[in-house]
Amino acid sequence: AQSVSQHNHHVILSEAASLELGCNYSYGGTVNLFWYVQYPGQHLQLLLKYFSGDPLVKGIKGFEAEFIKSKFSFNLRKPSVQWSDTAEYFCAVNAKSSYKLIFGSGTRLLVRP
Amino acid sequence: EAGVAQSPRYKIIEKRQSVAFWCNPISGHATLYWYQQILGQGPKLLIQFQNNGVVDDSQLPKDRFSAERLKGVDSTLKIQPAKLEDSAVYLCASTQRTGGATPLHFGNGTRLTVT
Repeated sequence: AQSVSQHNHHVILSEAASLELGCNYSYGGTVNLFWYVQYPGQHLQLLLKYFSGDPLVKGIKGFEAEFIKSKFSFNLRKPSVQWSDTAEYFCAVNAKSSYKLIFGSGTRLLVRP
Repeated sequence: EAGVAQSPRYKIIEKRQSVAFWCNPISGHATLYWYQQILGQGPKLLIQFQNNGVVDDSQLPKDRFSAERLKGVDSTLKIQPAKLEDSAVYLCASTQRTGGATPLHFGNGTRLTVT
């Protein structure tokens, strides 16, 4: 069965610090990979996605993620975080042949001004 | 475009009571999902509809949960009777079509507290 692991449950950073959130998945076949974000009081929304091609994908608000197939990882990065990046971040995976999206447990990011 | 609408936003009930949640997907979205998000966990798929047909309800606790999408648009999710462990946020999501590469559009969710 597919599963997604997010190793950092809570991350606290100061503004301008760099961010990297880990995401590992278990599935032997080809996958689609997503990062969703939930800002306080708002709905889950797509941050970025990887389907194929360049393993380094760029999303909204300066976020990027790198798919490393050999490591089954899809880590999220941002060179310099802002207070407005305070949110909960979810990694999600589905098999290319499937519609079923499997979410990680999420990482709560707090950015201190 | 208008987003996915859900109501109510919050609901508090006692165990063994029943509760219903409503979802109106984005116009034209044929696929509708209900997810359960327990505190500290990621969303877990309960049921998926394609138009008014059920595609996957394998993780829906059918002894107490039911869902319908009669006209292929709005959907309701019901719990009867509720248990303490049903306390969670219930999320509705929709997509234009079913497919692994299609991102989901989520509503704000209904936060259910069972006491």
